[in-house]
Amino acid sequence: NAGVTQTPKFRVLKTGQSMTLLCAQDMNHEYMYWYRQDPGMGLRLIHYSVGEGTTAKGEVPDGYNVSRLKKQNFLLGLESAAPSQTSVYFCASVTSFGEQYFGPGTRLTVT
Amino acid sequence: AQSVTQPDIHITVSEGASLELRCNYSYGATPYLFWYVQSPGQGLQLLLKYFSGDTLVQGIKGFEAEFKRSQSSFNLRKPSVHWSDAAEYFCAVEVSGSARQLTFGSGTQLTVLP
Repeated sequence: NAGVTQTPKFRVLKTGQSMTLLCAQDMNHEYMYWYRQDPGMGLRLIHYSVGEGTTAKGEVPDGYNVSRLKKQNFLLGLESAAPSQTSVYFCASVTSFGEQYFGPGTRLTVT
Repeated sequence: AQSVTQPDIHITVSEGASLELRCNYSYGATPYLFWYVQSPGQGLQLLLKYFSGDTLVQGIKGFEAEFKRSQSSFNLRKPSVHWSDAAEYFCAVEVSGSARQLTFGSGTQLTVLP
């Protein structure tokens, strides 16, 4: 039982490049979330999904897209990276009781 | 919109001393309340949660928290801190009917002195 895994762990992009972050969970949870964490700002919700094939915008969705083609996977895409997207990205999956299980994070730097 | 305030950005305590981390929320009804801990380079781990009932809740690693409706607070406590408790602590609020979204506080960094 791996819980929540994230790929990759680190990445450096140049401005304008694209990339996809992968989140996978093996707990059969319906709800999954993508957050970004910046110093002094806690975690902010980017996008979330309440089930396979569904996605919705969170607090800071601009510049990101997501897909949930399979229940266990939740992908976060950056189509044209900007320096403002330098951050640590966390994925979480949620139990029916609202307990969120977090992945280890992806540290992204955009130069 | 709901908000969560953690007034202490950084707290330093000596090992063996007691600890209290403060959390206040702003919301019309009683939300679901959580405390998470984040060790350096790691994701967040759930310490404890309050949904309803007994206002004093026990969590993992010897932590407890008390919900006080009159003060809109959910403070985290530990009677005796261990060096391994050094981490960042986040209070979070879930609003009913929000697709289980959490609003997080900005965190409190805990340093433990030997």
